[in-house]
Amino acid sequence: DAKTTQPPSMDCAEGRAANLPCNHSTISGNEYVYWYRQIHSQGPQYIIHGLKNNETNEMASLIITEDRKSSTLILPHATLRDTAVYYCIVRLYSGNTGKLIFGQGTTLQVKP
Amino acid sequence: DAGVIQSPRHEVTEMGQEVTLRCKPISGHNSLFWYRQTMMRGLELLIYFNNNVPIDDSGMPEDRFSAKMPNASFSTLKIQPSEPRDSAVYFCASSPGGTNTGELFFGEGSRLTVL
Repeated sequence: DAKTTQPPSMDCAEGRAANLPCNHSTISGNEYVYWYRQIHSQGPQYIIHGLKNNETNEMASLIITEDRKSSTLILPHATLRDTAVYYCIVRLYSGNTGKLIFGQGTTLQVKP
Repeated sequence: DAGVIQSPRHEVTEMGQEVTLRCKPISGHNSLFWYRQTMMRGLELLIYFNNNVPIDDSGMPEDRFSAKMPNASFSTLKIQPSEPRDSAVYFCASSPGGTNTGELFFGEGSRLTVL
């Protein structure tokens, strides 16, 4: 699986959009980009994933560049409860679940 | 749905003792994962199963660690003998497999302290 690079930490003001970047320059054509987050002491939680196109769900939006070498997770209106470690993961997915390898992630601190 | 259930939530034991962590995956999920999390090493994948069969155990630290999945609704991770460096939070996760999103559902974790 391709490796990812994320900033170690970021701050965001409550109510503003949080934009979390991820570089995955060695991604291959059949690898997906996944985002998970881990709120203190809890198990990681799935947020969103995508292959080529931008994706949106009730939690967030995922913007993947045309060359697929980087992506951005957007939390449109961050709240204090969004304070967490956010993991960007690149992973092969073929229909049968393969392994998910976590990096160090970005610690997002949402401030009042 | 009850989610992934892990037990015990907290375990304190002495070096050399056997530790058994348990996991009940979400009903109908056919993949199960064991992870370990420490401050130093972050989240590490130890082993995962598809349809009760171990697929990749390359993350298991050493022979002191063993994992089993006797049926689709139960898995154990055993450490024998335990050592202080095994202190960590151990997470179990399950996934539906098939043509789904590939999402993993994590349990609340088992916090192990080895004195």
